[in-house]
Amino acid sequence: GAVVSQHPSWVICKSGTSVKIECRSLDFQATTMFWYRQFPKQSLMLMATSNEGSKATYEQGVEKDKFLINHASLTLSTLTVTSAHPEDSSFYICSARAASGSLAYEQYFGPGTRLTVT
Amino acid sequence: AQTVTQSQPEMSVQEAETVTLSCTYDTSESDYYLFWYKQPPSRQMILVIRQEAYKQQNATENRFSVNFQKAAKSFSLKISDSQLGDAAMYFCAYRSWTGNQFYFGTGTSLTVIP
Repeated sequence: GAVVSQHPSWVICKSGTSVKIECRSLDFQATTMFWYRQFPKQSLMLMATSNEGSKATYEQGVEKDKFLINHASLTLSTLTVTSAHPEDSSFYICSARAASGSLAYEQYFGPGTRLTVT
Repeated sequence: AQTVTQSQPEMSVQEAETVTLSCTYDTSESDYYLFWYKQPPSRQMILVIRQEAYKQQNATENRFSVNFQKAAKSFSLKISDSQLGDAAMYFCAYRSWTGNQFYFGTGTSLTVIP
């Protein structure tokens, strides 16, 4: 099956610092990757969609200068939370979709990253 | 934008019994995909079942089956012979035929009572 990994699984950082989260598709090429944010007991909120080699498309209300997304290769996308603040503390989930073939039907989710900003 | 509604924030079921989770959606498209995802306490999203809108036959995966009513825009999930491991948040999701974006419902928290 298609496997997506995220690193780190849990990160604590101090207010004002930046933190990078990696999302990797391990056994398929992901032309499109998605970044979600999930608050406790709530649904997934799409933050942005990234296509390999092009700029990410951000959802309304998401600060693109704060949440930097880079999809530099077909297997790696990164989300950098810049100048993090306590309100950025959340669970961040990435997902990946292949361009074609049977894997193109679905999104494959990473295990998520819990970010705590102190 | 498409909307997905899950009207049951919480449900419970006795072990070995059957439970049905509801989902309705709003769309003007004729071709699309519908999904049920499970999110256990580990927070890993797991695909439970997928339905293509052009297929009249309801999808089934072992103990999981759906009741897809296209005209009513309803997509419920039935879990038979419930097991303790089925306890999780369940999200209904919609994706258009050609689009990238998934639209998720607000989720239903399922408790399985031993």
